[in-house]
Amino acid sequence: DSGVTQTPKHLITATGQRVTLRCSPRSGDLSVYWYQQSLDQGLQFLIQYYNGEERAKGNILERFSAQQFPDLHSELNLSSLELGDSALYFCASSVALAGRYNEQFFGPGTRLTVL
Amino acid sequence: TQLLEQSPQFLSIQEGENLTVYCNSSSVFSSLQWYRQEPGEGPVLLVTVVTGGEVKKLKRLTFQFGDARKDSSLHITAAQPGDTGLYLCAGLPPNTGNQFYFGTGTSLTVIP
Repeated sequence: DSGVTQTPKHLITATGQRVTLRCSPRSGDLSVYWYQQSLDQGLQFLIQYYNGEERAKGNILERFSAQQFPDLHSELNLSSLELGDSALYFCASSVALAGRYNEQFFGPGTRLTVL
Repeated sequence: TQLLEQSPQFLSIQEGENLTVYCNSSSVFSSLQWYRQEPGEGPVLLVTVVTGGEVKKLKRLTFQFGDARKDSSLHITAAQPGDTGLYLCAGLPPNTGNQFYFGTGTSLTVIP
């Protein structure tokens, strides 16, 4: 158990819909990261928040948005869903903002299926 | 842009055999990490290497960072079924902030 929690574990929805994925970081961790993992693209970095502020952006679509709340939990919002958005979505947290030894602790993931 | 290529993509071996997986790039990294991901779970960090030529050992696992800090290898001695999983390398390019780029992954199956 990494100490990072994600809900829900599974989500099945239809194209065009909007969903919200939730992440609670490890106690004391200020950084939260979101990743998308699919069979053909591997693990892709989406976005990072540190203490409530967006600090790095990766390959995140405009239909996707995220935020980190004062209690440090984070939500990833996916809208106008397409079949290709079906994937595992991971949240990770770390103590530090950055650094060569920065260790990310990953949650168990949310499996999103778009039908 | 895929910065890190891992090989082989899939590997199935018998218990007790040795194996090596590779993580290659044309880019230099200031740091390189190896993770293992088991089915239904998130990746778990195994090791971080930061110095060119660095070798780290974790029980039966030996990690090496290339001299030019562009590639890395993971060698497992006497593989066990518990080693089964997806092995991911992740590199931190210099001067780009916080983002680790993950490799394509090697899926290892150790058959009892």
